[in-house]
Amino acid sequence: SSELTQDPAVSVALGQTVRITCQGDSLRAYYASWYQQKPGQAPVLVIYNKDNRPSGIPDRFSGSSSGNTASLTITGAQAEDEADYYCNSRDSSYNGWVFGGGTKLTVL
Amino acid sequence: QVQLVQSGAEVREPGASVKVSCKASGYTFISNYMHWVRQAPGQGLVWMGVIGPSDGTTAYAQNLQGRLTLTRDTSTSTFHMELSNLRSEDTAVYYCARDTSSADKSWWFDPWGQGTLVTVSS
Repeated sequence: SSELTQDPAVSVALGQTVRITCQGDSLRAYYASWYQQKPGQAPVLVIYNKDNRPSGIPDRFSGSSSGNTASLTITGAQAEDEADYYCNSRDSSYNGWVFGGGTKLTVL
Repeated sequence: QVQLVQSGAEVREPGASVKVSCKASGYTFISNYMHWVRQAPGQGLVWMGVIGPSDGTTAYAQNLQGRLTLTRDTSTSTFHMELSNLRSEDTAVYYCARDTSSADKSWWFDPWGQGTLVTVSS
């Protein structure tokens, strides 16, 4: 099965911009989706279909993709954005899906 | 609004089985596949499997083949996840998540159920 690789931890100063990346061979064929998870809560979709935001997700969240890398960018990070972020895509090697290992975002 | 409501926490001994349910509402049941995802304590999300609501077609993660069974009941709009021969490493929160796809290139999970904690302990 394929793998998606994320940096385990990233930090950003309040109000600054941060990019969280996700790398994997499956991203050459399929778009990633991104999920935010806060402690003790279920994951929440923040980006889908490469660069679309569900209703209710602030426009400071954006997505992009190039080659084997998908990115989630938060422009003007807020304290409430501190969370774990996971990417996900269809697995190109078999009939399944795969999550990245997750990135813990700290807002300083 | 679309809602997925899961059954309550379970405790099982090693070697036993557990069945978790996920009741869907607020949309047409047969319109969307349903995924199951688990998360061990302090760990990341792991995809387990997916089921089609119309014909019950399933696909399972390779490492769970033979122990995982996904089913659905169209009369009650409920999905079920059964995991057998439980081990301590199956202790996790189990989530159901509704699938949406676009052009066979993009899939996303929204919304998610609230999660069900399954504890495997003797």
